[in-house]
Amino acid sequence: AQSVTQPDARVTVSEGASLQLRCKYSYSGTPYLFWYVQYPRQGLQLLLKYYSGDPVVQGVNGFEAEFSKSNSSFHLRKASVHWSDSAVYFCVLRANSNNRIFFGDGTQLVVKP
Amino acid sequence: NAGVIQTPRHKVTGKGQEATLWCEPISGHSAVFWYRQTIVQGLEFLTYFRNQAPIDDSGMPKERFSAQMPNQSHSTLKIQSTQPQDSAVYLCASSPTGNYAEQFFGPGTRLTVL
Repeated sequence: AQSVTQPDARVTVSEGASLQLRCKYSYSGTPYLFWYVQYPRQGLQLLLKYYSGDPVVQGVNGFEAEFSKSNSSFHLRKASVHWSDSAVYFCVLRANSNNRIFFGDGTQLVVKP
Repeated sequence: NAGVIQTPRHKVTGKGQEATLWCEPISGHSAVFWYRQTIVQGLEFLTYFRNQAPIDDSGMPKERFSAQMPNQSHSTLKIQSTQPQDSAVYLCASSPTGNYAEQFFGPGTRLTVL
C-alpha cells in the first residue's frame, strides 16, 4: 500500500539555520514525489518535484530535496531559513498507476527570529 | 492566470442544511481533484475528474456527498444534510494532462457546520 510518513509534526529552527524536513514513503512502483508548502489560510503551493534522474532536485526559494530509493526517503533541505519560511510542509507521493496522490501529515515549520 | 478559484472562501451552515462548494480549474487543465483537510485526518482525497468524467470517487463518503463537473470550467462538491463532522477545509486542485503533471491547488473553502 502507498503511504507517506513525515515523522516530525513540528520543527523549530532559528532564522539563518539550516533545515531538514524528513519524508519517508512506501510504494512498490516508480515514485513521483513532491513537496508542497501551505501558508496560513492559503492553498498548497508546489516547492519541488522528483520524477527521475538526478536524485537532488532544486525548488523555489532555495529549497532542495534528495531522493533515496534505498532509504525510501525524500527529505527537504534548505541551507539558511528565513522567518517567512514558517508554514506547513507536505510531502506527497503520486501513484502513477491511477494518478492518486498521498499526503504526509505535514510538518509545521516555525522559524524563530 | 488566476489560478484555481474556489468559492465561497468561507461557508457556515446549520446542521442538516445543504452546502455547495464551487471550483474553477485553471483554464486548459483537464483534471480536477477534491480534497478535505482537517486537523485530525489531515489531507484526504475525495474524488477526481478527467475531461469532466468521474474517474475515481473512492474517497467520497458514501452518503450525503456528491461531486459533479458539468463543464470544463467548473466543478461542484455538494454535501447534503451537513453534520458538524463535515466541518473542514475543502481543497480543489487542477492538473494538465500528462504523466508528469503536478496539481495546482486553490485556496480552499472553509466549511463550518454549527
